Amino acid sequence: GDKVKQSPSALSLQEGTNSALRCNFSIAATTVQWFLQNPRGSLINLFYLVPGTKENGRLKSTFNSKESYSTLHIRDAQLEDSGTYFCAAEPGGYKVVFGSGTRLLVSP
Amino acid sequence: DAAVTQKPRYLIKMKGQEAEMKCIPEKGHTAVFWYQQKQSKELKFLIYFQNQQPLDQIDMVKERFSAVCPSSSLCSLGIRTCEAEDSALYLCSSSPRQPERLFFGHGTKLSVL
Repeated sequence: GDKVKQSPSALSLQEGTNSALRCNFSIAATTVQWFLQNPRGSLINLFYLVPGTKENGRLKSTFNSKESYSTLHIRDAQLEDSGTYFCAAEPGGYKVVFGSGTRLLVSP
Repeated sequence: DAAVTQKPRYLIKMKGQEAEMKCIPEKGHTAVFWYQQKQSKELKFLIYFQNQQPLDQIDMVKERFSAVCPSSSLCSLGIRTCEAEDSALYLCSSSPRQPERLFFGHGTKLSVL
């Protein structure tokens, strides 16, 4: 929703290229999570972040709490990276607020 | 990957019928959440359980849904009288405690005709 804004809303990449997705928060997030929803609907947790950076294979994510944003970098995009990427911010407590997603299509 | 199980995978109901979906949280997880997702858009929070107790839920759930977690190994979400607007993917997630990383099931896709 409005508290967590994702950009771009949709993205097309060619195999082998790099890109970055972004989340801007209008709430004071303490942690951020990134998910990939595959075409079948399953949500895979990619990252759980406190302020800082994490890397996992071709994916790298940064959470900057002072400037209220998070990024997800995809390096050497593959066909299986296609899907919808969601970020979710936690302002403290239990409630997690989701963004509206970035639809990524990777083509040969 | 996480082992949150949801059943059934697909559910078709007529308007006015009752619907029930089940979720088996990952073993050892004490926090359980239900979300509703329409047309692959953002997830809408429905209800939160901690140690089988409902701690927060939106008004829609209070009015038309029934949700319980009678044990740490089984939760259910029911709709007393289905309406067309209830057609959505219902996702259950669990985590060891809150705040913590969320793990999701595959979801139950409900279609109300």
